[in-house]
Amino acid sequence: QPALTQPRSVSGSPGQSVTISCTGTSSDVGGYNYVSWFQQHPGKAPKLMIHGVSKRPSGVPDRFSGSKSGNTASLTISGLQAEDEADYYCWSYAGSSTWVFGGGTKLTVL
Amino acid sequence: QVQLVESGGGVVQPGSSLTLSCAASGFTFSSHVMHWVRQAPGKGLEWVAAISNDGNNRHYADFVKGRFSISRDNSKNTLYLQVNSLRAEDTAVYYCARDYSGSWTVDYWGQGILVTVSS
Repeated sequence: QPALTQPRSVSGSPGQSVTISCTGTSSDVGGYNYVSWFQQHPGKAPKLMIHGVSKRPSGVPDRFSGSKSGNTASLTISGLQAEDEADYYCWSYAGSSTWVFGGGTKLTVL
Repeated sequence: QVQLVESGGGVVQPGSSLTLSCAASGFTFSSHVMHWVRQAPGKGLEWVAAISNDGNNRHYADFVKGRFSISRDNSKNTLYLQVNSLRAEDTAVYYCARDYSGSWTVDYWGQGILVTVSS
């Protein structure tokens, strides 16, 4: 059972915006500003899209943004594009040098 | 450029042991915390273990329960994961990943290596 709860799937049409939630507890998401989001295409390694709740690594389009409120973090993808179709995972520091993932969300671009 | 290449996977019988390796290049290996993450077929990502840059501190997910051991050889730029008493539920692609310094996340991942536990 994944420690962080994500919706199993979300969908949107090209150009629209979608938001993926990631709910944890005060021991992980709510306790630290160390939430990351990864994108994973089938058969590929994950790619870091957001770290530190809302920071974008170099090369990640500004269509991707992150936020957090209490024990829930969110990833918003605006201006959806076909290549955004993938699985998305949240990842949070959980204290004592341990980390936890969300169960993953499948994004379908209609 | 940063490269992480896993090896050592394969098909093994339940109860057996295996050592996975991750050869690093393109960066100063000894400066980075390193992680192992696994993904069962058709399932989500699962954090397994992390080791400090000098190898002195090792941390594990609860499910490991003493069966796995993470280590590193900074002289060889190589990360290891020894997995013992393998069970069918350990069947997964195992990824090594580099800590994104100071950010409590990982930035570079290997391509992954498949471990299949089956009789």
